[in-house]
Amino acid sequence: AQKVTQAQTEISVVEKEDVTLDCVYETRDTTYYLFWYKQPPSGELVFLIRRNSFDEQNEISGRYSWNFQKSTSSFNFTITASQVVDSAVYFCALKKVNTGFQKLVFGTGTRLLVSP
Amino acid sequence: KAGVTQTPRYLIKTRGQQVTLSCSPISGHRSVSWYQQTPGQGLQFLFEYFSETQRNKGNFPGRFSGRQFSNSRSEMNVSTLELGDSALYLCASTAGGYQETQYFGPGTRLLVL
Repeated sequence: AQKVTQAQTEISVVEKEDVTLDCVYETRDTTYYLFWYKQPPSGELVFLIRRNSFDEQNEISGRYSWNFQKSTSSFNFTITASQVVDSAVYFCALKKVNTGFQKLVFGTGTRLLVSP
Repeated sequence: KAGVTQTPRYLIKTRGQQVTLSCSPISGHRSVSWYQQTPGQGLQFLFEYFSETQRNKGNFPGRFSGRQFSNSRSEMNVSTLELGDSALYLCASTAGGYQETQYFGPGTRLLVL
């Protein structure tokens, strides 16, 4: 069975602080995709990044960076110099690759509060 | 391209009623997936439709059903509503391949009284 764990329920930081959101996953599959989504108060899940299990390169996009470590089954997300607009719930998700099915298995999410 | 749209955005129903939610995918996308989000259970997969066929189904009772039309628009139906069905229902679309990313709509917030 697949499982995603986001142990941090809520994180509060002050603007300009760096923050890391943790994601640990479990799967017996050798090929899979990992995702991060952002959910602002409006409710829509906004896609941030997708990572293939064969690609362990870290990625940076502006203030966002992701650290994928297959050895520890972790896919952590760091926001550098956080801003108030980063306040949202962030979800990590896992998907099988060896089928055409689109089912995503989500973690429980981490609520990030960035105060001015 | 326009994103995924869902209607209605908000809905209030009473126990025992039924409800139909609609989702229009991104143009050209043929796969539509539905998810239920509740504070207690989090985000859970309901089902996926591709080319008018249900391709995958989550662990939900038969009261939850769906369908997809030839234009890829999808509807989900919940019959005999229960208080626990109060949730945010999200749909997502992809072109259909396994390597695709799911793009989500704004959701429908259903409140069952």
